[in-house]
Amino acid sequence: GAVVSQHPSRVICKSGTSVKIECRSLDFQATTMFWYRQFPKQSLMLMATSNEGSKATYEQGVEKDKFLINHASLTLSTLTVTSAHPEDSSFYICSAGTGGRAGAEQYFGPGTRLTVT
Amino acid sequence: AQSVTQPDIHITVSEGASLELRCNYSYGATPYLFWYVQSPGQGLQLLLKYFSGDTLVQGIKGFEAEFKRSQSSFNLRKPSVHWSDAAEYFCAVLNTGGFKTIFGAGTRLFVKA
Repeated sequence: GAVVSQHPSRVICKSGTSVKIECRSLDFQATTMFWYRQFPKQSLMLMATSNEGSKATYEQGVEKDKFLINHASLTLSTLTVTSAHPEDSSFYICSAGTGGRAGAEQYFGPGTRLTVT
Repeated sequence: AQSVTQPDIHITVSEGASLELRCNYSYGATPYLFWYVQSPGQGLQLLLKYFSGDTLVQGIKGFEAEFKRSQSSFNLRKPSVHWSDAAEYFCAVLNTGGFKTIFGAGTRLFVKA
């Protein structure tokens, strides 16, 4: 149980285009989803937290107009990188949680490798 | 502010040897603590977690961790390492107020034959 999928697993796009990454909780309802960014050989940096049906909360320094997050249902959240540039190339990981102490554990997706050329 | 420190960037152990990965945290209240493992190009897999109770926590794959409040530590241990354990290991603390997980920088484990 508690499986989170991400699609696509790998994407290459040209500079200036937009890319959408999907994060799905397959066998549970996720009240909260998190988006992380991970640079090579570095730790995960939280970009934003999204709750179903409400606007995402972005971490300081993360451009909300560049990284659009939509959490339309309890099983799906999307991250759209708008007007992508080479510096946006990174490994993006989502996680899903059910909230509360019992749901403090997050379940992580396998990640999406974005390369902007 | 909450923080997690993993002092060792990388560690090399021989297969069959014991392992201890260090983790220190800074958090005002009783923390929720986690250890995750990440293989190259993959997402994170939860090894174990501590919320309360017994300070020695058993996890998957033969790992265990001990919460020591006096030392603000949550070190990960395994008595006998296997080559398949080679990966990146992250210690993390959950900020229960904001439900944000703060990760350490990670420790890369290398296993030599």
